[in-house]
Amino acid sequence: SQQGEEDPQALSIQEGENATMNCSYKTSINNLQWYRQNSGRGLVHLILIRSNEREKHSGRLRVTLDTSKKSSSLLITASRAADTASYFCATDSRTGGGNKLTFGTGTQLKVEL
Amino acid sequence: DTGVSQDPRHKITKRGQNVTFRCDPISEHNRLYWYRQTLGQGPEFLTYFQNEAQLEKSRLLSDRFSAERPKGSFSTLEIQRTEQGDSAMYLCASSLSQGGWINSPLHFGNGTRLTVT
Repeated sequence: SQQGEEDPQALSIQEGENATMNCSYKTSINNLQWYRQNSGRGLVHLILIRSNEREKHSGRLRVTLDTSKKSSSLLITASRAADTASYFCATDSRTGGGNKLTFGTGTQLKVEL
Repeated sequence: DTGVSQDPRHKITKRGQNVTFRCDPISEHNRLYWYRQTLGQGPEFLTYFQNEAQLEKSRLLSDRFSAERPKGSFSTLEIQRTEQGDSAMYLCASSLSQGGWINSPLHFGNGTRLTVT
């Protein structure tokens, strides 16, 4: 079953614009991770945010986490054509033992020149 | 760090045949995961190993599926009597995790795409 749901399902922007993707999940977590997947390839880890953290930055990426709303957002600033990919949030689950990640349905981002 | 490798990259098989996929994780990683992904969906958890012990299996993993990780190194995933619904990308991932829960990233291979005709 999919624990998380990303919103929007698809996003198309111009190069240089910012892209924001949201993720909602259902159960209490220890941490939340974001991954990127290029077509036909495996997933690549972007950032991990722990349940006691509210915001984290990595280069052009900014992730926020609101555990009271069970939601997270991923912001990509100054997007590039190379950012075109699918983006997934993934959570462990405290009630499930926290030893596996459950992925959302993903946001398909297209950055046009 | 040579990354996680999966073999083969693509597999086409006829319904009813058995198939086996291999995953070589990053050498020092103690955990190994198998996920299945269909078009337009996120990866779905199948099973995971801590060293050589298979610690959890999803209800998605019917009795036609079996996974092994002998000696805690590479892993194989076998599907017996394949069905068309088994067509998907099978992803392997590994991580180095201490303690009970996941506290480090998963490193994914590029997957094996299975097509059952």
